[in-house]
Amino acid sequence: QKEVEQDPGPLSVPEGAIVSLNCTYSNSAFQYFMWYRQYSRKGPELLMYTYSSGNKEDGRFTAQVDKSSKYISLFIRDSQPSDSATYLCAMSAFSNTGKLIFGQGTTLQVKP
Amino acid sequence: DTGVSQNPRHKITKRGQNVTFRCDPISEHNRLYWYRQTLGQGPEFLTYFQNEAQLEKSRLLSDRFSAERPKGSFSTLEIQRTEQGDSAMYLCASSLSAGGSAEAFFGQGTRLTVV
Repeated sequence: QKEVEQDPGPLSVPEGAIVSLNCTYSNSAFQYFMWYRQYSRKGPELLMYTYSSGNKEDGRFTAQVDKSSKYISLFIRDSQPSDSATYLCAMSAFSNTGKLIFGQGTTLQVKP
Repeated sequence: DTGVSQNPRHKITKRGQNVTFRCDPISEHNRLYWYRQTLGQGPEFLTYFQNEAQLEKSRLLSDRFSAERPKGSFSTLEIQRTEQGDSAMYLCASSLSAGGSAEAFFGQGTRLTVV
């Protein structure tokens, strides 16, 4: 079993929809949680960074962490065709290494 | 451009040849990481430097792979005697150690194709 599980999709939604992306994990030591967006043949771009449990909002993006359930989510409001990409969750146990464990990535397509 | 820079962007090599990739991190970042990403998968950790010291290596990093960061600035990743299974995107990331942050910023990657 992988430490981080993420449904690869693909997920297809109409423009303007609310998108929900999720990851589950097994290592209770994880306390730093990130979401990256990756366009085809590009490097991952950091979208959201959260420490421990709770919510964080940045524009159209909201990240949620539920450590008791070992479950994290990324919500995208008013989705746009430019949001079409692969979304990777990543997590780390310790800030003093920064070594990240990634999910497989979910491919999102937002149709105009 | 003040982001993480990787060169070359693409590399095609014949099996058995050696290849070397370069990464220039964000200038004030003292931590540097190498990851490998294959099609349809998330990046997998290879190795990590704090300044010039290589502090951790994944078991994915076989003895054909070597990474250096000689002056604590740029880093190189060398693959000797390349195999077709080495075909992947090699990603470099950097971060700061201060402030307890684990945020890592990635470069655009070097796509290696071994033929």
